[in-house]
Amino acid sequence: ILNVEQSPQSLHVQEGDSTNFTCSFPSSNFYALHWYRWETAKSPEALFVMTLNGDEKKKGRISATLNTKEGYSYLYIKGSQPEDSATYLCAFLTGTASKLTFGTGTRLQVTL
Amino acid sequence: ETGVTQSPTHLIKTRGQQVTLRCSSQSGHNTVSWYQQALGQGPQFIFQYYREEENGRGNFPPRFSGLQFPNYSSELNVNALELDDSALYLCASSIGQGNEKLFFGSGTQLSVL
Repeated sequence: ILNVEQSPQSLHVQEGDSTNFTCSFPSSNFYALHWYRWETAKSPEALFVMTLNGDEKKKGRISATLNTKEGYSYLYIKGSQPEDSATYLCAFLTGTASKLTFGTGTRLQVTL
Repeated sequence: ETGVTQSPTHLIKTRGQQVTLRCSSQSGHNTVSWYQQALGQGPQFIFQYYREEENGRGNFPPRFSGLQFPNYSSELNVNALELDDSALYLCASSIGQGNEKLFFGSGTQLSVL
């Protein structure tokens, strides 16, 4: 059974703070790591798909890094804004399966 | 918006009944996956269809079945509903069956009483 773990479970920061979350996944048979943002009452939205060890991706104030050898990925948000409030999900894809295995997510709340 | 629509948005059924959930994918997306999200958990993979054939299945019993149609729509059918089937059901489409990002619908919230 593949286990994808995310930490922390929830996070409450002030506007302007920078923050980061962790996604841990099995380091064997790695194929890809996905990050999704899920705002309340909306659909999950893809942020990044990462495939190579050492990959770094950036989208505006959000960036992510990937370490496939040790099995973790970090998601960073610089200068958090209230509109960043959402649940951030990571999902792991192995080379032998067609399914994404999701973590339980990190719920971020950004207040003024 | 992702271009993926699901219907209905909410549904209430009783134990033992059958339910059909529908999804309309983006045009050109040959792959559709269905996920179940129970309270406090991440989305759990139910199955995936590629060009109208099942292409992978998670740890769900046979009473969970699906169909994919040539017009990029799909269905999730659940027979003999159980209380534990109460969850949010998400469909997600993608262009291929490999590594592409998923485009999710906003889900159907199913309550089984």
